[in-house]
Formats: sequence, structure tokens, C-alpha cells
Amino acid sequence: KAGVTQTPRYLIKTRGQQVTLSCSPISGHRSVSWYQQTPGQGLQFLFEYFSETQRNKGNFPGRFSGRQFSNSRSEMNVSTLELGDSALYLCASSLRWDRGYEQYFGPGTRLTVT
Amino acid sequence: GQQLNQSPQSMFIQEGEDVSMNCTSSSIFNTWLWYKQEPGEGPVLLIALYKAGELTSNGRLTAQFGITRKDSFLNISASIPSDVGIYFCAGQKVTSGTYKYIFGTGTRLKVLA
Repeated sequence: KAGVTQTPRYLIKTRGQQVTLSCSPISGHRSVSWYQQTPGQGLQFLFEYFSETQRNKGNFPGRFSGRQFSNSRSEMNVSTLELGDSALYLCASSLRWDRGYEQYFGPGTRLTVT
Repeated sequence: GQQLNQSPQSMFIQEGEDVSMNCTSSSIFNTWLWYKQEPGEGPVLLIALYKAGELTSNGRLTAQFGITRKDSFLNISASIPSDVGIYFCAGQKVTSGTYKYIFGTGTRLKVLA
């Protein structure tokens, strides 16, 4: 069974631009979560989608948004990029959204903002 | 953002040695996951724990769900060079009526051949 895929793997953007990252979950998984990973803050939760609905949201500004499509694929968007948005963005998929579910991560998208 | 306390932060060990690391919190969790991450890659799930006191193995790795539900432990026996990487714990709990995973700060493992 194919794992979680993320595109693109690497991205360089300029401050003020916007970016869209894509995630395809493991086949049959309906929940997708997004995380930001930086050396200073570690893995921080952005949001989680299940069946096209945002079920959970972390403490990030409104510039960070996401959506999920009917085939469970998900996108996240960051508008008005800031230098501090440079990070590894990870997507994780799971069968369910509730107690005891296991999350499987993709390889991540490395975003560099200059 | 919230992170779990994970120790040690980093460790150098000799090949063949056993390794222990732990994750602690003041909160109660209902599920613990342990991951390994290598440079340029996403975390890979190693072990999942669902009940207090549970002990689960995956090859040379053994993890335990603490009795108090506030901590978890990971042991690696007879370490080998390919064990190098960063190990993360993740605890799941209910926050504002929804389930969420909180991640540990990571333990960076370096193995000397």
C-alpha cells in the first residue's frame, strides 16, 4: 500500500507571496493532519480534516488555511509569507479522527522563505 | 506551542549498547506513539500504545505506556549504526472536546561504531 505523499518536496518563496502544499493520504484514510516542524518549536499542530470538515485547529494565524477534497486529498495554503514560516511542513493521515488512531507521516515539504 | 518533555535531548552511544529514553507530562494521555525521523524525511511510526501499563515490542525496540498515563518509555536494545536519528513521542489527549496529538521535543541518537 502506498504511503502518504506530499508535493512539492522543496519550495523557495519570497516574503509576501503565498504557497499551496498538497498531501495525498494512504488509500482508505479519511483523516489528514498538518504539522509545522522547526528546530526551535519542534512539531506543532496546524489543523486536521476528516471527511472534508476541519475537526481541529492549532494556534496558528489565519494566514494558514487548509481544505480537504472528497477523495481525502488535502491542501494547505499560507498567504503573505513571512521569514518565520520557513519550516518542514508535514502531513499525516489516519483511518479515523478519534481515540487511539495511528498517524502516518509523509516525507514533508521543505519551505524556505527569503 | 505545547510540547512534551522528552529526555535525554541527545545521546552518543557505542554500537551494541542498550538505549533508554522517556517522555513525561503533567497531563493524562489515552494513546502514545513513538516515531523515528531521519534527516530530510518525515517521522516513521515505530510503536503504538493504547492502555496504561502496556508493553509492546517491535524488533529491538520496546515501549511502555506508563501506569500513571502521564509518561511513556522507549528502549532500544543492542544499538546499531542505522538506529541514528531523532526519536519522538506523541501523546493523544482530549482538548476542547476533540482528540489531538502533542509531540515530544525529540531525542537525537548518535551511534559510534
